[in-house]
Order: sequence, then C-alpha cells, then structure tokens
Amino acid sequence: DTGVSQDPRHKITKRGQNVTFRCDPISEHNRLYWYRQTLGQGPEFLTYFQNEAQLEKSRLLSDRFSAERPKGSFSTLEIQRTEQGDSAMYLCASSFGGGYSYNEQFFGPGTRLTVL
Amino acid sequence: AQSVTQPDIHITVSEGASLELRCNYSYGATPYLFWYVQSPGQGLQLLLKYFSGDTLVQGIKGFEAEFKRSQSSFNLRKPSVHWSDAAEYFCVVNPGNNRKLIWGLGTSLAVNP
Repeated sequence: DTGVSQDPRHKITKRGQNVTFRCDPISEHNRLYWYRQTLGQGPEFLTYFQNEAQLEKSRLLSDRFSAERPKGSFSTLEIQRTEQGDSAMYLCASSFGGGYSYNEQFFGPGTRLTVL
Repeated sequence: AQSVTQPDIHITVSEGASLELRCNYSYGATPYLFWYVQSPGQGLQLLLKYFSGDTLVQGIKGFEAEFKRSQSSFNLRKPSVHWSDAAEYFCVVNPGNNRKLIWGLGTSLAVNP
C-alpha cells in the first residue's frame, strides 16, 4: 500500500520544546496539505504546497509554525516553543492537482501531539 | 460565503436500521462533493464523491449519497447499518477546483446493538 504516511504517530512533549513531524505523500501527488484536528472538530486547514512551493497558509499558522517541502516530495511541519494549546492531531493529505483535477485528497493516519 | 452544514451533531441508530446523514452546502454553482469517514483511531477515509453526471453515487461500505441541486443537499444513506459504521462522518465541498476544501463540522454516529 503506497498511501500517505506520517511519522511519528504519537508525540508527547513538554511545553516550550520544539517538535517536527514528517509526511510522505502518495508518490505521484503534487499537492500536499497540513491540517490540525482537535477533539470533536473537523480538520482545520493549516497550509498547502504545490510541488515545493508553499502557496497558502492559514491564519492559524502562527510564527511558531513552519512547514517545508524541499524537494516537492515529503514535507515537514515544525512547531517551535510548543504550547498546551498546540495539542491536537496533525493530519497530512495529498492530491493530484492541475488541469481538471477534482482535488480528491488522501489522508495519512495523523500525528497526535500532546503538550504537557 | 461558501459553507457546509451538517445539521445533526450526533445520531444514534440501531444495528440493521437505515441511516441518513444530512449535508447542505452554500455555493453559487455545483461544487465537487465528498463524504469522508473517520473511525476511532483511524485516518480519514473517502466514502464517496460527486463530480457530475448521475446524482446518485455509490461509495464503499454500502454507502450511497444523492446530490439534489434544488435543495443544495448531498445526503449520505445506508440501508442497513452495521456496528462497525460507528464513526464521525464529514461532508466536504470543493467549490470548483479550489485547492482548499470546505469541511462540515461532522456527524457522530453511534450504533446500538
């Protein structure tokens, strides 16, 4: 199965520490998305890449958050100086975009972050 | 503004009963429509999608959905619910190849034995 993978699946950290998550999209997909999901809510859009270019960022993405997709393949999401409010599930999705794409997104299993 | 409404936050049905989850969208044209399911501890999985053509679409796990343009609705149905269908269901809209999806708040489904 060559679906979207995320690593780690779970991360527990202390407030103030930095954390980094990785997402490997489906290989032929050129678009990659990051979402945050808190308990009882739907996914909230964070940011989006087309190939290596970061084309859109949500206002939710404070200056403590940064995302990269250096070679247009895998992506990393880093949170600096974590706060307890950052505790959530971080979801990655990928899609094939362009032309008459319908932007059907395929999701990874998520990384659950707990900030103590 | 573009939006997706799932009027039912929680629904409980008995196993074997029929199910209908409601979804209404607000958009000027016909968007691309999706239903995703998220089971406890699982990732989001696409159940079905509507792009054009036949307004009744079939998905995985015995689910179907009907697009009704006049009602701006895309309700999800299943004739006989199984205990394993207990999950969170999200109606999602892509308003015309826009890269940013619009998510409903979700409907939590519980299934009684």
